Amino acid sequence: DVKVTQSSRYLVKRTGEKVFLECVQDMDHENMFWYRQDPGLGLRLIYFSYDVKMKEKGDIPEGYSVSREKKERFSLILESASTNQTSMYLCASTIGGGQGTYGYTFGSGTRLTVV
Amino acid sequence: GESVGLHLPTLSVQEGDNSIINCAYSNSASDYFIWYKQESGKGPQFIIDIRSNMDKRQGQRVTVLLNKTVKHLSLQIAATQPGDSAVYFCAKRAPGQFGAGTQVVVTP
Repeated sequence: DVKVTQSSRYLVKRTGEKVFLECVQDMDHENMFWYRQDPGLGLRLIYFSYDVKMKEKGDIPEGYSVSREKKERFSLILESASTNQTSMYLCASTIGGGQGTYGYTFGSGTRLTVV
Repeated sequence: GESVGLHLPTLSVQEGDNSIINCAYSNSASDYFIWYKQESGKGPQFIIDIRSNMDKRQGQRVTVLLNKTVKHLSLQIAATQPGDSAVYFCAKRAPGQFGAGTQVVVTP
């Protein structure tokens, strides 16, 4: 069964901490994405990557960065966590290169609380 | 700007009835749409997709209708079951925009 795995289901971090959210997919997909999900706002795209060492800003990249050193791994980094980054974070991947991508396979999510 | 959104935040459906979930989009150039289902505590899962050169596509108990004239698509679930209780999202192709979702509640 193909999978997108997020390393943590729940995280609690302090304001100002540097936070790493890890995502690994075993489907050899080229494209990987990070979303955050908040009540009433749906899923909002933070960053995505179409290839190793490549990244593109999504709709809400401020306060975040990403790293894609290997094809299967896409990390989301909160440089200095703030309480407004408390959210559910979802990683996803798709097959295909460039913009010719189709449906996502999502991970189960990481619920991050910043206190 | 471009948007994809759902019409209703919550839909209550009696078990065995058909469900209809609606979605509107603003960009006429959108060529591919996907419906996702998100159960509590899980990430969204792909249900069915439709390309803009189609008006209708059927899956197992689900049908998606696309009306390009009014930029509207809908997901119909036949004979709704308790396991259909979830939040449903429509989205365009990746990197896609998602609406806030519609919570479907199935009552016995």
